[in-house]
Amino acid sequence: AQSVSQHNHHVILSEAASLELGCNYSYGGTVNLFWYVQYPGQHLQLLLKYFSGDPLVKGIKGFEAEFIKSKFSFNLRKPSVQWSDTAEYFCAVNARLGNDYKLSFGAGTTVTVRA
Amino acid sequence: NAGVTQTPKFQVLKTGQSMTLQCAQDMNHNSMYWYRQDPGMGLRLIYYSASEGTTDKGEVPNGYNVSRLNKREFSLRLESAAPSQTSVYFCASSDITRDVYNEQFFGPGTRLTVL
Repeated sequence: AQSVSQHNHHVILSEAASLELGCNYSYGGTVNLFWYVQYPGQHLQLLLKYFSGDPLVKGIKGFEAEFIKSKFSFNLRKPSVQWSDTAEYFCAVNARLGNDYKLSFGAGTTVTVRA
Repeated sequence: NAGVTQTPKFQVLKTGQSMTLQCAQDMNHNSMYWYRQDPGMGLRLIYYSASEGTTDKGEVPNGYNVSRLNKREFSLRLESAAPSQTSVYFCASSDITRDVYNEQFFGPGTRLTVL
């Protein structure tokens, strides 16, 4: 079965620190990859996505992610976090299974940024 | 554009009661989805509708029914609510263009408590 693993359940860091959130998936075929963010009390918003091409993808708010096919990974990074980056982050992987697409989410990583 | 809207935002039910969660999108998307979000488990797909007139089970369909009323609206019904259905419910929509899967757009969520 297709699965998505996020390595960290809760990350706490100070402003200006660098952030890296791990994401690994189990599906071996062609995949589309996403990172979503959920700010407190809000709905999920797309941070960035990878379909094809350059494996280093830049998203909104200074986030980027690198797709490493050989490692089945799509890690999210931000060089210098701000207090406003406090949120829950979800990795999602979409893969074509027959005639359908199936989007699977990781369990999420809660990021707390201390001022 | 309002995007994806959901009603109600909050609901408290007693065990055995029924209710319908409403979802509408104004982006002319073909596909619509219902997820539940539980702590530490990410988002799990309950049902989806790839196009108007079709619905399919997702990962956790038991205890739920859905109706794709038209292209815009996709409702989720709990016939006999159980405490295990206490969760936050998100509706989402997306479009599929040829072989490219586009990201899903999420509604604000419905927080449901079953006593």
